[in-house]
Amino acid sequence: VLTQSPATLSLSPGERATLSCRASQSVSRYLGWYQQKPGQAPRLLIYDVSNRATGIPARFSGSGSGTDFTLTISSLEPEDFAVYYCQQRTTWPTFGPGTKVDV
Amino acid sequence: DVHLVESGGTLVQPGGSLRLSCLVSGLTISNYSFNWVRQAPGKGPEWLSYVGSSGSPTYYADSVLGRFTISRDNAKNSLFLQMSSLRAEDSAVYYCTTSIHNNQIRTYFDHWGQGTQVSVSS
Repeated sequence: VLTQSPATLSLSPGERATLSCRASQSVSRYLGWYQQKPGQAPRLLIYDVSNRATGIPARFSGSGSGTDFTLTISSLEPEDFAVYYCQQRTTWPTFGPGTKVDV
Repeated sequence: DVHLVESGGTLVQPGGSLRLSCLVSGLTISNYSFNWVRQAPGKGPEWLSYVGSSGSPTYYADSVLGRFTISRDNAKNSLFLQMSSLRAEDSAVYYCTTSIHNNQIRTYFDHWGQGTQVSVSS
């Protein structure tokens, strides 16, 4: 089971965002992150903790291992306000409940 | 560019059946595995099913095992999800996806369609 915190993160453009994902048991380094905007499908941002997917800007970075993981957005752009989900692939793929980053 | 377009979602009564389709373009479908993922309102996505590039193996989440069947028609560039014994909790947007680790179930999902809405209600 993946849990994410906080449920909502209220920030302003230019600020740093730090999102947390915790697994109920170790997922090693098999943890990824997605961004979802209203009315759109999720978009893969990060896979295997720290690898950015194709076309993802360098302001997105990931870290962690085992059970505790972090997605960092170094300086929020207006288009970054969205919901973020973590996903593990140690077993059948499962997702967390999400963190909403809003203004 | 890879494009996936889902269709077939609608309002259906509890206990009913429905077949979703996903038309794929931009890649040689016979070389790739595919998945179905759904998302209920306000919830995280939920992986449902996987099919290998040759049509096997197939895998299912416990929540749909025995009720849903994944299939593909490579000649028609299409993926399908046959759903039966539908329940209210099956109401969600259903997406077909490709994955970054081809022919592996333990993967991430890189290309998604726009989704098709399934509502189960009397």
